[in-house]
Amino acid sequence: DVKVTQSSRYLVKRTGEKVFLECVQDMDHENMFWYRQDPGLGLRLIYFSYDVKMKEKGDIPEGYSVSREKKERFSLILESASTNQTSMYLCASSPLAGANEKLFFGSGTQLSVL
Amino acid sequence: RKEVEQDPGPFNVPEGATVAFNCTYSNSASQSFFWYRQDCRKEPKLLMSVYSSGNEDGRFTAQLNRASQYISLLIRDSKLSDSATYLCVVTPRGYNFNKFYFGSGTKLNVKP
Repeated sequence: DVKVTQSSRYLVKRTGEKVFLECVQDMDHENMFWYRQDPGLGLRLIYFSYDVKMKEKGDIPEGYSVSREKKERFSLILESASTNQTSMYLCASSPLAGANEKLFFGSGTQLSVL
Repeated sequence: RKEVEQDPGPFNVPEGATVAFNCTYSNSASQSFFWYRQDCRKEPKLLMSVYSSGNEDGRFTAQLNRASQYISLLIRDSKLSDSATYLCVVTPRGYNFNKFYFGSGTKLNVKP
């Protein structure tokens, strides 16, 4: 089974802190994604990457950056955390695009910014 | 207009009932379709892919209607353990990477 591992299950940070969320997948997937999920808004794509050092903005990239130096690892960075970034963050991966390629999720990081 | 739309529910049904959810998508060139299940405070997990010919997995049946641009999920003989939020996911054609569009989910409560 594909395993997508997120470094923290719960995280509490202060406004203005720099926050790193780490994600590692063990199935050699090309594509990796960061989503945030908020009640009533569903999953929203922040950034995705389809190859090492390649990144594309999703629907809500403001206030975030990403890094993909190795194929298995995709990091989400909050340069200066704000209270409106309190959310559940979900990392996901999938193989190279083709019919019916699925998304596999990590268990999520619940981030609280105080 | 949202790429994928779902009725948020909740659908409250008794054990043993049959329940169906629909999900509409806006891009007629969409390529792949999925239903994911998400338990409270957990990550979404793939329930089933949706094929053009329709497919069944035990008590779950998924169907695709390309002409009307919707997919459906039917759950027969509902169990308490089916209580969850069901997410509809669609991917468009024409990318060299997969871009997944999520509905906001339909909440199902199965009651004793």
